[in-house]
Amino acid sequence: AQTVTQSQPEMSVQEAETVTLSCTYDTSENNYYLFWYKQPPSRQMILVIRQEAYKQQNATENRFSVNFQKAAKSFSLKISDSQLGDTAMYFCAFMKGAGGTSYGKLTFGQGTILTVHP
Amino acid sequence: GAGVSQTPSNKVTEKGKYVELRCDPISGHTALYWYRQSLGQGPEFLIYFQGTGAADDSGLPNDRFFAVRPEGSVSTLKIQRTERGDSAVYLCASSPLGTTRTQYFGPGTRLLVL
Repeated sequence: AQTVTQSQPEMSVQEAETVTLSCTYDTSENNYYLFWYKQPPSRQMILVIRQEAYKQQNATENRFSVNFQKAAKSFSLKISDSQLGDTAMYFCAFMKGAGGTSYGKLTFGQGTILTVHP
Repeated sequence: GAGVSQTPSNKVTEKGKYVELRCDPISGHTALYWYRQSLGQGPEFLIYFQGTGAADDSGLPNDRFFAVRPEGSVSTLKIQRTERGDSAVYLCASSPLGTTRTQYFGPGTRLLVL
């Protein structure tokens, strides 16, 4: 079974600065996907960024980028130029690739509460 | 276009009662997923549908939980003989065909069992 670990229960950052959220995972799979989701107090889970394990290049989406270290099974999220609207709970998630059992099922970490201060 | 919708947004019930939670996925999405999120925790997988059939129901905690998707669109999660431990936010997500299977979530239903 896969496990996802987020070792930082809470993080804070000043507006306009950069913050990095950590995530490690454990799997014996070679084909998989990794995600970061954001959940504000409204409860709506919003996709932030996605990484395919077979891609060596780190994914980026505007102010959000990842540092994907496949050998170390590490998948950290960097938020640049932090904004007040980035305040939320952030979840790292793992999904097996096509062809495996439980394809499509997301396994989530425990989450990191990020607070952006003005 | 419209996102995933879930009704009701909040549900309060008494221990032992039966509840139904509804999920309306994004139009055209063939895969539909249910997750349960306890306070301060990450969501936990319950069940996933591909079309009308349950492709993986390994996350359902016991036989009090059941889900259907009779026409391959709307899904209903049914909980019989509710217990206080069932209190949680129930999240639904849908995804289109394709290998990446990015899931788009609804706002959830917060269930409180008294």
